[in-house]
Amino acid sequence: EPEVTQTPSHQVTQMGQEVILRCVPISNHLYFYWYRQILGQKVEFLVSFYNNEISEKSEIFDDQFSVERPDGSNFTLKIRSTKLEDSAMYFCASREGSLNGYTFGSGTRLTVV
Amino acid sequence: KNEVEQSPQNLTAQEGEFITINCSYSVGISALHWLQQHPGGGIVSLFMLSSGKKKHGRLIATINIQEKHSSLHITASHPRDSAVYICAVPKSSGDKLTFGTGTRLAVRP
Repeated sequence: EPEVTQTPSHQVTQMGQEVILRCVPISNHLYFYWYRQILGQKVEFLVSFYNNEISEKSEIFDDQFSVERPDGSNFTLKIRSTKLEDSAMYFCASREGSLNGYTFGSGTRLTVV
Repeated sequence: KNEVEQSPQNLTAQEGEFITINCSYSVGISALHWLQQHPGGGIVSLFMLSSGKKKHGRLIATINIQEKHSSLHITASHPRDSAVYICAVPKSSGDKLTFGTGTRLAVRP
């Protein structure tokens, strides 16, 4: 069964450093998402991406965050200057169409120290 | 804004028991999603449903659109069903999901 692949599975970074979280969505999917889950809390929406542009973003997704689909296969989330409160599990998800179900990646656990 | 409430928050069952997890939401939706989060953190999509009932193996999901309520049932539960089960619905505008807090299920042998 096709999978959404996320790398790395775990990243530790120092506060103020830039991190890039990588995702390879399923190849025929058109809609891409990033969600995050702070330990012990609900999963929260960050951003959705369709047709090579952001279609929606949450209040969390401020100018420290950016997304890119640089080569038609990878979908990346960049945090420019990490804060302690960015520590969370970050999930990439994709779907074939707006009426289809989601496929989630296994997540990247980001720890900011 | 669409709020999602799940109950119970925690559930412990003996192997073989029939399990029900409930989800209520506040505004009209096009579809509701049931997800399973494994102890390692990964999320698996179980069901997407907009009406009636869906079944996959020992899992059954039902939805009542008028009452804004959905249930996830597990028949003949097994320790490998131990996970967090999450209900999620689209926001009132757009397709991004609003997640419930999840129901943590532990099935004892």
